[in-house]
Amino acid sequence: GAGVSQSPSNKVTEKGKDVELRCDPISGHTALYWYRQSLGQGLEFLIYFQGNSAPDKSGLPSDRFSAERTGGSVSTLTIQRTQQEDSAVYLCASSLDWPGRAGADGELFFGEGSRLTVL
Amino acid sequence: GIQVEQSPPDLILQEGANSTLRCNFSDSVNNLQWFHQNPWGQLINLFYIPSGTKQNGRLSATTVATERYSLLYISSSQTTDSGVYFCAVSYNFNKFYFGSGTKLNVKP
Repeated sequence: GAGVSQSPSNKVTEKGKDVELRCDPISGHTALYWYRQSLGQGLEFLIYFQGNSAPDKSGLPSDRFSAERTGGSVSTLTIQRTQQEDSAVYLCASSLDWPGRAGADGELFFGEGSRLTVL
Repeated sequence: GIQVEQSPPDLILQEGANSTLRCNFSDSVNNLQWFHQNPWGQLINLFYIPSGTKQNGRLSATTVATERYSLLYISSSQTTDSGVYFCAVSYNFNKFYFGSGTKLNVKP
């Protein structure tokens, strides 16, 4: 597709269940980011993938959160044993750029997000 | 991490009015972007502006990196400009730090 695709768009789950959120970045984009946006708040960084480098996981809030990126393309964010405070919109973004790339501007392209509600 | 403060938090305008949104950041950055989040939640990149001035139609932005702030100007506002405006900064393209946003409501 032309843009960043995320699925599911909406997910309602019960406390304690595991959920998986998927992000399909723009073809050819080497960088992929996950952010979390709670209601009426700004964006909280979760994790960053860049090419084949080790991901920056410094924003993951607990060990219940994990993410992987297979083949440098699709990424899955997994939340285990969900809690009510995990309820938020999970946003994925991709970028063509990396540090040092000539003409790089690091422009981020966001998907429409996955809204997670934990009951 | 880098602290990003945006002001004002809320802004109500009549259609046709002009406005200035401000973004202050706490550390040196080499990447600054402005985003518009529409009422449906979609984030759209408006400007990449680590320094200097850029204009795109009724919108323009200025970043003074040495003084650690950026301004977004909206002229002749329209109802479609409503939404939340976010400033995001980064050093070397890794994590981007976002401000809390300015919520703009343009009334017809």
